[in-house]
Amino acid sequence: GQQLNQSPQSMFIQEGEDVSMNCTSSSIFNTWLWYKQDPGEGPVLLIALYKAGELTSNGRLTAQFGITRKDSFLNISASIPSDVGIYFCAGRGGSNYKLTFGKGTLLTVNP
Amino acid sequence: GAVVSQHPSRVICKSGTSVKIECRSLDFQATTMFWYRQFPKKSLMLMATSNEGSKATYEQGVEKDKFLINHASLTLSTLTVTSAHPEDSSFYICSATDGTQETQYFGPGTRLLVL
Repeated sequence: GQQLNQSPQSMFIQEGEDVSMNCTSSSIFNTWLWYKQDPGEGPVLLIALYKAGELTSNGRLTAQFGITRKDSFLNISASIPSDVGIYFCAGRGGSNYKLTFGKGTLLTVNP
Repeated sequence: GAVVSQHPSRVICKSGTSVKIECRSLDFQATTMFWYRQFPKKSLMLMATSNEGSKATYEQGVEKDKFLINHASLTLSTLTVTSAHPEDSSFYICSATDGTQETQYFGPGTRLLVL
């Protein structure tokens, strides 16, 4: 089945620093989604990407759908303490709506 | 827009009892809903996909008689954990898609603890 490799597994940064995380797939995806999950909460959609090469921003967040359709990255600029959480990438590769999730990147921001 | 709610947010029950979890799409009609299970510090594991008015499709290894799913309307899906045991304790999360966008919107999750 499809597999997603998400890296890094965790990051410890200082407030104000930029952050980058990425996901790669063993197969082609049609949709890439980035979610953030706070402890004890459900994932919240940050950015959705639907076309290869698409670059989309949401405030301080920027994500891109790789040209090969097998990868995506998420950048967070000028991090703040509330950016702390687990970030998941997810891809959809078939005609149904099932998503394959990465294992998550735990972000810690030191004030 | 695209708000999904879950009820209850947490539940504690005795071993052997059944627990029902509701998932509602509040401001859109959900043609498809999904149920996930998440273990501590792990990613989301898809349990089943449910389409309104039809039987749910379960992922391999998920017991359909153990985890009963009903999607009776375009805004409500329920997951019933039957004869719950301590190993069923977990964080259960639902998501929904309206079919017009290829995006899933997640509920806030339900923490189940079986004693």
